[in-house]
Amino acid sequence: DGGITQSPKYLFRKEGQNVTLSCEQNLNHDAMYWYRQDPGQGLRLIYYSQIVNDFQKGDIAEGYSVSREKKESFPLTVTSAQKNPTAFYLCASTAGRGQETQYFGPGTRLLVL
Amino acid sequence: SQQGEEDPQALSIQEGENATMNCSYKTSINNLQWYRQNSGRGLVHLILIRSNEREKHSGRLRVTLDTSKKSSSLLITASRAADTASYFCATAIQGGSEKLVFGKGTKLTVNP
Repeated sequence: DGGITQSPKYLFRKEGQNVTLSCEQNLNHDAMYWYRQDPGQGLRLIYYSQIVNDFQKGDIAEGYSVSREKKESFPLTVTSAQKNPTAFYLCASTAGRGQETQYFGPGTRLLVL
Repeated sequence: SQQGEEDPQALSIQEGENATMNCSYKTSINNLQWYRQNSGRGLVHLILIRSNEREKHSGRLRVTLDTSKKSSSLLITASRAADTASYFCATAIQGGSEKLVFGKGTKLTVNP
């Protein structure tokens, strides 16, 4: 089965803790994206990567970090500097140019304890 | 207003009726895309229309693009309860970087 997987489905963060959200794709796509979605809102871009070992900040990168060591994987770390992390996080990928069709994972819901 | 803005914010119709959602944007685009999101799920791509196209069809979906008015519409014909979802437009800005800009979406409820 080809697609994008995200884990875990739900994640709980304690005060001051860093947590990492996983995103893996086996579509052989070059570009990968992380979005944040708040209730009743659209998607806001956190980080994106067009190629291994390279990534760019999106519109709301503060308090987040990423890595792209493998083409298939693009993990997102929500650091303790992100004061309001409760949201639904979506990972996406696209073949070739990022302005073409994006394929999304099922999402991770992050909640703060 | 932001780059992509859907209208209305919410729409409730009966099964069998047509549903029309609109998207307006501010700057020139390379393409415009529509996505669907069921509650608590990821987005699913529906249709992509390029700036030199005026209309595209896919099954019960019809998308139009008017670049002079900087607007697009998504029509779902003969709606079904399973069409209940949020629908988002995403714009690929001309001269912009390799990313899409998403609107806030239209929440469609189709009542059986």
